[in-house]
Amino acid sequence: EAGVTQSPTHLIKTRGQQATLRCSPISGHTSVYWYQQALGLGLQFLLWYDEGEERNRGNFPPRFSGRQFPNYSSELNVNALELEDSALYLCASVPQGGGTDTQYFGPGTRLTVL
Amino acid sequence: QKEVEQDPGPLSVPEGAIVSLNCTYSNSAFQYFMWYRQYSRKGPELLMYTYSSGNKEDGRFTAQVDKSSKYISLFIRDSQPSDSATYLCAMIPFIGGYNKLIFGAGTRLAVHP
Repeated sequence: EAGVTQSPTHLIKTRGQQATLRCSPISGHTSVYWYQQALGLGLQFLLWYDEGEERNRGNFPPRFSGRQFPNYSSELNVNALELEDSALYLCASVPQGGGTDTQYFGPGTRLTVL
Repeated sequence: QKEVEQDPGPLSVPEGAIVSLNCTYSNSAFQYFMWYRQYSRKGPELLMYTYSSGNKEDGRFTAQVDKSSKYISLFIRDSQPSDSATYLCAMIPFIGGYNKLIFGAGTRLAVHP
Protein backbone atom coordinates (compact mmCIF):
# COMPACT_ATOMS: atom_id res chain seq x y z
CA GLU A 1 0.00 0.00 0.00
CA ALA A 2 1.45 3.35 -1.00
CA GLY A 3 1.92 5.84 1.80
CA VAL A 4 1.17 9.54 1.88
CA THR A 5 3.04 11.33 -0.88
CA GLN A 6 3.95 14.99 -1.10
CA SER A 7 5.38 17.13 -3.86
CA PRO A 8 7.66 18.81 -4.46
CA THR A 9 10.32 17.61 -2.05
CA HIS A 10 11.98 21.01 -1.99
CA LEU A 11 10.71 24.41 -3.01
CA ILE A 12 12.68 27.64 -3.11
CA LYS A 13 10.84 30.92 -3.43
CA THR A 14 11.48 34.58 -2.80
CA ARG A 15 9.60 36.92 -0.52
CA GLY A 16 6.23 37.95 -1.87
CA GLN A 17 5.86 34.97 -4.17
CA GLN A 18 3.26 32.23 -3.89
CA ALA A 19 3.93 28.58 -3.11
CA THR A 20 1.76 25.56 -3.89
CA LEU A 21 2.34 22.28 -2.10
CA ARG A 22 0.57 19.03 -2.89
CA CYS A 23 -0.41 15.96 -0.90
CA SER A 24 -1.90 12.61 -1.86
CA PRO A 25 -3.35 10.65 1.05
CA ILE A 26 -3.33 6.90 1.46
CA SER A 27 -5.98 5.25 -0.69
CA GLY A 28 -9.25 5.15 1.22
CA HIS A 29 -8.33 8.00 3.55
CA THR A 30 -10.60 11.01 3.28
CA SER A 31 -9.11 13.38 5.87
CA VAL A 32 -5.98 15.40 5.26
CA TYR A 33 -4.16 17.50 7.83
CA TRP A 34 -1.46 20.05 7.10
CA TYR A 35 1.25 21.00 9.59
CA GLN A 36 4.13 23.41 9.60
CA GLN A 37 7.36 22.25 11.22
CA ALA A 38 9.64 25.23 11.71
CA LEU A 39 13.06 24.78 13.23
CA GLY A 40 12.87 24.37 17.00
CA LEU A 41 9.11 24.84 17.15
CA GLY A 42 7.70 21.38 16.61
CA LEU A 43 4.70 20.74 14.40
CA GLN A 44 1.99 23.38 14.29
CA PHE A 45 -1.48 22.48 13.02
CA LEU A 46 -2.38 24.44 9.88
CA LEU A 47 -5.49 23.06 8.17
CA TRP A 48 -7.83 20.08 8.20
CA TYR A 49 -9.79 18.90 5.18
CA ASP A 50 -12.36 16.14 5.20
CA GLU A 51 -14.62 15.04 2.37
CA GLY A 52 -13.65 18.09 0.35
CA GLU A 53 -14.46 20.62 3.06
CA GLU A 54 -12.21 22.71 5.27
CA ARG A 55 -13.11 21.58 8.79
CA ASN A 56 -10.73 23.63 10.89
CA ARG A 57 -7.69 25.81 10.67
CA GLY A 58 -4.92 26.58 13.10
CA ASN A 59 -3.63 29.94 14.24
CA PHE A 60 -2.20 31.03 10.87
CA PRO A 61 -2.99 34.08 8.73
CA PRO A 62 -5.44 33.85 5.79
CA ARG A 63 -2.60 33.83 3.28
CA PHE A 64 -2.30 30.15 4.19
CA SER A 65 -5.11 28.39 2.36
CA GLY A 66 -5.82 25.19 0.56
CA ARG A 67 -8.35 22.85 -0.83
CA GLN A 68 -9.18 19.19 -1.14
CA PHE A 69 -10.06 17.65 -4.46
CA PRO A 70 -12.73 14.99 -5.20
CA ASN A 71 -10.01 12.30 -5.16
CA TYR A 72 -9.10 13.50 -1.61
CA SER A 73 -5.71 14.85 -2.61
CA SER A 74 -5.00 18.27 -1.22
CA GLU A 75 -3.17 21.43 -2.03
CA LEU A 76 -1.72 24.01 0.36
CA ASN A 77 -1.21 27.52 -0.96
CA VAL A 78 0.87 30.14 0.75
CA ASN A 79 0.55 33.65 -0.65
CA ALA A 80 2.79 36.67 -0.13
CA LEU A 81 5.59 34.51 1.22
CA GLU A 82 7.58 35.79 4.18
CA LEU A 83 11.00 34.67 5.36
CA GLU A 84 9.49 33.05 8.46
CA ASP A 85 7.40 30.75 6.25
CA SER A 86 10.56 28.73 5.65
CA ALA A 87 9.79 25.35 7.18
CA LEU A 88 8.99 21.72 6.51
CA TYR A 89 5.33 21.35 5.57
CA LEU A 90 3.88 17.98 6.44
CA CYS A 91 0.63 16.43 5.41
CA ALA A 92 -1.02 13.55 7.21
CA SER A 93 -4.04 11.44 6.37
CA VAL A 94 -6.53 9.42 8.40
CA PRO A 95 -9.31 7.10 7.31
CA GLN A 96 -12.89 8.20 6.88
CA GLY A 97 -14.46 9.56 10.04
CA GLY A 98 -11.20 10.48 11.70
CA GLY A 99 -11.95 8.62 14.91
CA THR A 100 -8.68 6.81 15.00
CA ASP A 101 -5.53 6.90 17.02
CA THR A 102 -3.22 6.96 14.03
CA GLN A 103 -2.52 9.51 11.37
CA TYR A 104 0.00 8.79 8.67
CA PHE A 105 2.50 11.43 7.67
CA GLY A 106 4.09 12.10 4.33
CA PRO A 107 7.80 12.96 3.97
CA GLY A 108 7.10 16.68 3.76
CA THR A 109 7.95 19.56 1.45
CA ARG A 110 10.79 21.78 2.56
CA LEU A 111 9.98 25.37 1.65
CA THR A 112 12.77 27.90 1.68
CA VAL A 113 11.92 31.58 1.31
CA LEU A 114 14.82 33.83 0.32
CA GLN B 1 4.50 29.20 28.42
CA LYS B 2 4.13 26.52 25.75
CA GLU B 3 1.38 23.96 26.23
CA VAL B 4 3.89 21.15 25.76
CA GLU B 5 7.52 21.42 26.81
CA GLN B 6 10.17 19.05 25.51
CA ASP B 7 13.93 19.34 25.84
CA PRO B 8 15.31 19.63 22.30
CA GLY B 9 18.60 17.93 23.17
CA PRO B 10 20.62 16.74 21.41
CA LEU B 11 20.97 13.65 23.52
CA SER B 12 23.96 11.45 22.75
CA VAL B 13 24.22 7.97 24.25
CA PRO B 14 26.32 4.85 23.63
CA GLU B 15 24.75 1.79 22.04
CA GLY B 16 22.98 -0.36 24.62
CA ALA B 17 22.13 2.51 26.96
CA ILE B 18 18.67 3.14 28.38
CA VAL B 19 17.27 6.38 27.00
CA SER B 20 14.71 8.51 28.79
CA LEU B 21 12.77 11.14 26.84
CA ASN B 22 10.31 13.42 28.60
CA CYS B 23 7.57 15.97 28.05
CA THR B 24 5.55 18.11 30.41
CA TYR B 25 2.24 19.71 29.57
CA SER B 26 0.02 22.31 31.12
CA ASN B 27 -3.46 21.57 29.72
CA SER B 28 -5.34 19.01 31.80
CA ALA B 29 -7.75 18.49 28.87
CA PHE B 30 -5.18 16.31 27.12
CA GLN B 31 -6.24 12.70 27.38
CA TYR B 32 -4.36 10.86 24.64
CA PHE B 33 -0.61 10.85 24.43
CA MET B 34 1.63 9.80 21.60
CA TRP B 35 5.27 9.47 20.76
CA TYR B 36 6.42 9.90 17.19
CA ARG B 37 9.81 9.13 15.72
CA GLN B 38 11.10 11.27 12.87
CA TYR B 39 14.13 10.29 10.87
CA SER B 40 16.00 12.92 8.92
CA ARG B 41 14.13 13.98 5.75
CA LYS B 42 11.13 11.83 6.69
CA GLY B 43 7.71 12.49 8.17
CA PRO B 44 6.93 11.48 11.75
CA GLU B 45 5.77 7.90 12.38
CA LEU B 46 3.70 6.85 15.35
CA LEU B 47 5.68 4.80 17.89
CA MET B 48 3.49 4.59 20.95
CA TYR B 49 0.01 5.69 21.94
CA THR B 50 -1.34 5.78 25.48
CA TYR B 51 -4.49 6.95 27.19
CA SER B 52 -4.42 6.23 30.86
CA SER B 53 -1.81 6.95 33.48
CA GLY B 54 0.68 4.15 33.88
CA ASN B 55 3.04 2.25 31.62
CA LYS B 56 2.63 0.75 28.17
CA GLU B 57 5.31 -1.48 26.76
CA ASP B 58 6.08 -2.40 23.16
CA GLY B 59 9.31 -4.27 22.61
CA ARG B 60 12.20 -2.07 23.67
CA PHE B 61 9.92 0.94 24.11
CA THR B 62 7.95 1.88 27.22
CA ALA B 63 5.63 4.87 27.38
CA GLN B 64 4.76 6.25 30.77
CA VAL B 65 2.04 8.77 31.61
CA ASP B 66 1.56 10.57 34.91
CA LYS B 67 -1.54 12.71 34.52
CA SER B 68 -1.38 14.01 38.07
CA SER B 69 2.04 15.52 37.34
CA LYS B 70 1.25 16.28 33.68
CA TYR B 71 4.38 14.41 32.70
CA ILE B 72 4.99 11.76 30.06
CA SER B 73 8.08 9.73 29.27
CA LEU B 74 9.39 7.37 26.62
CA PHE B 75 12.05 4.86 27.62
CA ILE B 76 14.16 3.03 25.07
CA ARG B 77 15.99 -0.04 26.34
CA ASP B 78 19.10 -1.46 24.68
CA SER B 79 19.32 1.54 22.37
CA GLN B 80 20.61 0.96 18.85
CA PRO B 81 22.22 3.29 16.30
CA SER B 82 19.02 2.85 14.25
CA ASP B 83 17.15 4.60 17.08
CA SER B 84 18.98 7.82 16.18
CA ALA B 85 16.17 10.21 15.24
CA THR B 86 14.08 13.04 16.61
CA TYR B 87 11.39 11.96 19.06
CA LEU B 88 8.27 14.05 19.30
CA CYS B 89 5.66 13.82 22.01
CA ALA B 90 2.13 14.78 21.03
CA MET B 91 -1.24 14.94 22.73
CA ILE B 92 -4.90 15.45 21.93
CA PRO B 93 -7.96 16.05 24.12
CA PHE B 94 -10.08 13.34 22.49
CA ILE B 95 -9.70 10.46 20.04
CA GLY B 96 -9.45 11.60 16.46
CA GLY B 97 -9.04 15.22 17.53
CA TYR B 98 -6.02 15.81 15.33
CA ASN B 99 -7.01 19.39 14.68
CA LYS B 100 -6.27 19.87 18.38
CA LEU B 101 -3.01 17.93 18.26
CA ILE B 102 -0.20 19.66 20.12
CA PHE B 103 3.38 18.54 19.56
CA GLY B 104 6.46 19.06 21.61
CA ALA B 105 9.45 20.57 19.81
CA GLY B 106 11.14 17.17 19.63
CA THR B 107 14.30 15.72 21.17
CA ARG B 108 17.17 14.76 18.89
CA LEU B 109 18.70 11.45 19.91
CA ALA B 110 22.03 10.11 18.66
CA VAL B 111 23.05 6.55 19.58
CA HIS B 112 26.68 5.92 18.79
CA PRO B 113 28.24 2.46 18.35
